[in-house]
Amino acid sequence: EAGVAQSPRYKIIEKRQSVAFWCNPISGHATLYWYQQILGQGPKLLIQFQNNGVVDDSQLPKDRFSAERLKGVDSTLKIQPAKLEDSAVYLCASSPTLNTEAFFGQGTRLTVV
Amino acid sequence: GENVEQHPSTLSVQEGDSAVIKCTYSDSASNYFPWYKQELGKRPQLIIDIRSNVGEKKDQRIAVTLNKTAKHFSLHITETQPEDSAVYFCAASSNTGNQFYFGTGTSLTVIP
Repeated sequence: EAGVAQSPRYKIIEKRQSVAFWCNPISGHATLYWYQQILGQGPKLLIQFQNNGVVDDSQLPKDRFSAERLKGVDSTLKIQPAKLEDSAVYLCASSPTLNTEAFFGQGTRLTVV
Repeated sequence: GENVEQHPSTLSVQEGDSAVIKCTYSDSASNYFPWYKQELGKRPQLIIDIRSNVGEKKDQRIAVTLNKTAKHFSLHITETQPEDSAVYFCAASSNTGNQFYFGTGTSLTVIP
């Protein structure tokens, strides 16, 4: 079974620039999560989708972050404009449905300089 | 929303000893409690999980206990080995809250 795919693996941008991350979940998984993991900390939930609907985006900084999952399959997370404190690993995860095991992708390591 | 606290933040044990990591949660509706292991530079991977209808679950050297009344759950690793060295995260979620929140992590070092 193919795992969760994310791209790119690494990205370096200057502050105030924009960046987008892509995630393709495991086939058939209805629930998709985006997490931000700052070095030395636990993953912080940014947004959670069930199919193409948003279940929870309470911790998403909506003035600069946006995410979509238009067809209920793959998803993109965008940051515009980026700040230095956005430097982190962005992890995408998927699960068959709510409240079940989440499978993680390799993550995208973002460095904002 | 849910608040998951995890202790200790770092833990060092001698090979062969046991390791215990504890988590507390705030949302009484939480009913699913997974534990993830994350090796350096790698993705988190599930090692064991428990649902609220049981108090304990065991898988070889790993066990998880849950006390719903006190809102805490613990990971127990027995006969630790150097390959157990990693960061461990607990998490909690519920059907009603539809949220999946992680603890702050425990860095476990097993000394050969």
